[in-house]
Amino acid sequence: AQKITQTQPGMFVQEKEAVTLDCTYDTSDPSYGLFWYKQPSSGEMIFLIYQGSYDQQNATEGRYSLNFQKARKSANLVISASQLGDSAMYFCAMRDGYNFNKFYFGSGTKLNVKP
Amino acid sequence: EAGVAQSPRYKIIEKRQSVAFWCNPISGHATLYWYQQILGQGPKLLIQFQNNGVVDDSQLPKDRFSAERLKGVDSTLKIQPAKLEDSAVYLCASSTRLSGGGSYEQYFGPGTRLTVT
Repeated sequence: AQKITQTQPGMFVQEKEAVTLDCTYDTSDPSYGLFWYKQPSSGEMIFLIYQGSYDQQNATEGRYSLNFQKARKSANLVISASQLGDSAMYFCAMRDGYNFNKFYFGSGTKLNVKP
Repeated sequence: EAGVAQSPRYKIIEKRQSVAFWCNPISGHATLYWYQQILGQGPKLLIQFQNNGVVDDSQLPKDRFSAERLKGVDSTLKIQPAKLEDSAVYLCASSTRLSGGGSYEQYFGPGTRLTVT
């Protein structure tokens, strides 16, 4: 079964607008972590934001926020005020299990920011 | 602090040849990961080390892939013999801890792009 599902292969957003990238996850472990990474065309993976399963509040990092809905097992990334430099692949990932920190990645969403 | 180093950055080989990739994690990082990322897909974990021991290699095609981290620092991933479907980017990542909670993310290297012809 898929551990991480990203249903949007590609998204377009107008510069300066907000955009939401969807992510759902599957785990039976009560302790887990959720991550978002950005991968520009250069190929490097850049860590954006983290949400722990026991965190009460949604994580925020600058223009990035994570809309964490535990009951729905969703962890959507919200990018506010999109910039041209935000055009990239975005991957949702989950660290599953208190031990061994196994990571699972989704298939990614290609975001294109239009001027 | 220096990031995760990988070499080579690019490699082109013919099928049935062998190839090796090298990774040097961030100093002090006990956990090291090798991922395979096929074009258009997310990274797939191949093998995970804690110091010099293997934690998980369940998705490593052991008939052709091998990896080692002999001194618990740098690591080598080898493919022998290579197949066309091995064409991918091979990413190495490291993190500070193995178990426990917390936001200790993985730090990724620049990757090695392998083309098998």
